[in-house]
Amino acid sequence: GQQLNQSPQSMFIQEGEDVSMNCTSSSIFNTWLWYKQDPGEGPVLLIALYKAGELTSNGRLTAQFGITRKDSFLNISASIPSDVGIYFCAGQRPEYGNKLVFGAGTILRVKS
Amino acid sequence: KAGVTQTPRYLIKTRGQQVTLSCSPISGHRSVSWYQQTPGQGLQFLFEYFSETQRNKGNFPGRFSGRQFSNSRSEMNVSTLELGDSALYLCASSLGTSFGDTQYFGPGTRLTVL
Repeated sequence: GQQLNQSPQSMFIQEGEDVSMNCTSSSIFNTWLWYKQDPGEGPVLLIALYKAGELTSNGRLTAQFGITRKDSFLNISASIPSDVGIYFCAGQRPEYGNKLVFGAGTILRVKS
Repeated sequence: KAGVTQTPRYLIKTRGQQVTLSCSPISGHRSVSWYQQTPGQGLQFLFEYFSETQRNKGNFPGRFSGRQFSNSRSEMNVSTLELGDSALYLCASSLGTSFGDTQYFGPGTRLTVL
């Protein structure tokens, strides 16, 4: 089963609003990643975080690696219709090798 | 650079049959990982292959197997299909040479078991 707790499960927001979602774990992860999946496609990497406390931006997206290494959040500013999709957090630990552990996903729907 | 390709994109099989899915990684990538995605269990790691060797394995029964060829292309096989094997099967490729290498996903193969 999932080891990462991702919330919220879904969001329905107005175009132009800011969005925030987060991921927590009872275990420490060395890498946190955020992916987006569109219908019929595989996940696409949005942001990768490698150091506790790291804050990284990619356009309107900002993500942070929690200082406890057990959580991460993703913010999307000024949402637009093409932001719709499923957002997944994922974690990696050296003892897992290349294996990604995923959260259950946040479904984002935007009202134009 | 071409992305990760998976074939076929869609597959319908019946219980008890077996199936083989194929994944061609990005040129130069030597690691291929496979994931199963279902509405109930989400994205679950199946296994990873690097330089033709299985390097890591998830918690799936032995009916799920894989292999990797010298050109890094990978196949996964599911034998004695069950209804619960219906899922989107995703492969991801990466350089595989260091922890934290970026993994790039293919579009997936949608398997339906009737």
